Amino acid sequence: EVQLVESGGDLVQPGGSLRLSCAASEFTFSSYWMSWVRQAPGKGLEWVANINHDGSEKYYVDSVKGRFTISRDNAKNSLYLQMNSLRAEDTAIYYCATYYSGSYNALGSWGQGTLVTVSP
Amino acid sequence: QSALTQPASVSGSPGQSITISCTGTSSDVGGYNYVSWYQQHPGKAPKLVIFDVSDRPSGVSNRFSGSKSGNTASLTISGLQAEDEADYYCSSYTSNSTVIFGGGTKLTIL
Repeated sequence: EVQLVESGGDLVQPGGSLRLSCAASEFTFSSYWMSWVRQAPGKGLEWVANINHDGSEKYYVDSVKGRFTISRDNAKNSLYLQMNSLRAEDTAIYYCATYYSGSYNALGSWGQGTLVTVSP
Repeated sequence: QSALTQPASVSGSPGQSITISCTGTSSDVGGYNYVSWYQQHPGKAPKLVIFDVSDRPSGVSNRFSGSKSGNTASLTISGLQAEDEADYYCSSYTSNSTVIFGGGTKLTIL
């Protein structure tokens, strides 16, 4: 069974930086696109970014472009999200997710999430 | 880009069927057969229940079905059960090679 474990969430001041990690196991990590999705407290899901299998393609939601960077290390089976210039509206649970085998756009496996709180 | 439009809430009695709509544009829902639906129980991670408009992942009950017409996709849950009470989100691939979610629909079992 696919395992995704996020870490790195914390309380950070506005304008600060944070790096989230997602450790993957029980599947061939290097073969799959990966995504970050966030959910603000009491709100809906928002896709943040995704990255292709070798890191050569990356896409972001407009609200994080220029501030967040998605990356991966296939040797370590790990996904990352570097978040800079954090704002209060970035406060959310951040999930990493991988695509369902055979689908183009469906997120079939999710981690448990890590909480990022941006507050003075 | 604005979120896909879903009703805020729907409700139904056990055994009945409900349908949740998800309306986008020709740049997302209407332009691609890459609509997915997710179920989320409180405090839990989302779970994929429908992908590519109408396909079900292995292990998902056949009570869940999906369809699309023009810019609107739909999720139908038949034979409602208590455990179906949850939030449901649609998502779609977009012409910008990004992903967009709907605002979510709270399903209440009466």
